[in-house]
Amino acid sequence: EIVLTQSPGTLSLSPGERATLSCRASQSVTSDFLAWYQQKTGRAPRLLIYSATSRSPGIPDRFSGSGSGTDFTLTISRLEPEDFAVYYCQQYGTSPWTFGQGTKVEI
Amino acid sequence: QLQLQESGPGLVEPSETLSLNCTVSGGSVSDRSYYWGWARQPPGKGLEWLGTIYYNGDTYDNPSLRSRITISVDTSKNHFSLKVNSVTAADTAVYYCARCQGVGPNPFDYWGQGTLVTVSS
Repeated sequence: EIVLTQSPGTLSLSPGERATLSCRASQSVTSDFLAWYQQKTGRAPRLLIYSATSRSPGIPDRFSGSGSGTDFTLTISRLEPEDFAVYYCQQYGTSPWTFGQGTKVEI
Repeated sequence: QLQLQESGPGLVEPSETLSLNCTVSGGSVSDRSYYWGWARQPPGKGLEWLGTIYYNGDTYDNPSLRSRITISVDTSKNHFSLKVNSVTAADTAVYYCARCQGVGPNPFDYWGQGTLVTVSS
């Protein structure tokens, strides 16, 4: 199965700063079928990005995805207070679909 | 507005079968534009994809659990279901049902609120 490794484990930043989250795959992700989710404590995940670079409807444009093959990045251009959460990447190009272990963005 | 709601026992004894339903409102599991699926999250840990199903019963599931899980769909009740047999403490998790964004390989774009299932005697 494809193993996704996210880094860093925790990112300590302030509102207004830029956040850069990394997701590295153990092998190439088919068709760049890579998604990013945001999860707040006690809540279900929320889809932010799909197909590596496409924003899900209703997601603010401060969230952007980039990358291809094995290296992917989620960037939050200017952190808002509501952006402090855990972020997961997921590949859905090869079964079993797999998730990374998560990056926590904290104040 | 599409909504998904998981239901089922919150406590299951070891070696028994975990059974959950996901009831869909504001949409239809018969809609040929979408797959539906399940994921889980052990307390304090990351997410695990369990499997997906199409309205016609075609399923794709996680090979690590394939021998123990069954995913089914009931279009007359507008719900789909998950069964995990021979459970152990390692199956304790929040279980989520969700909709895939489309047909074929797609991420989950709508999620239920999740339901905690504890495996314990």
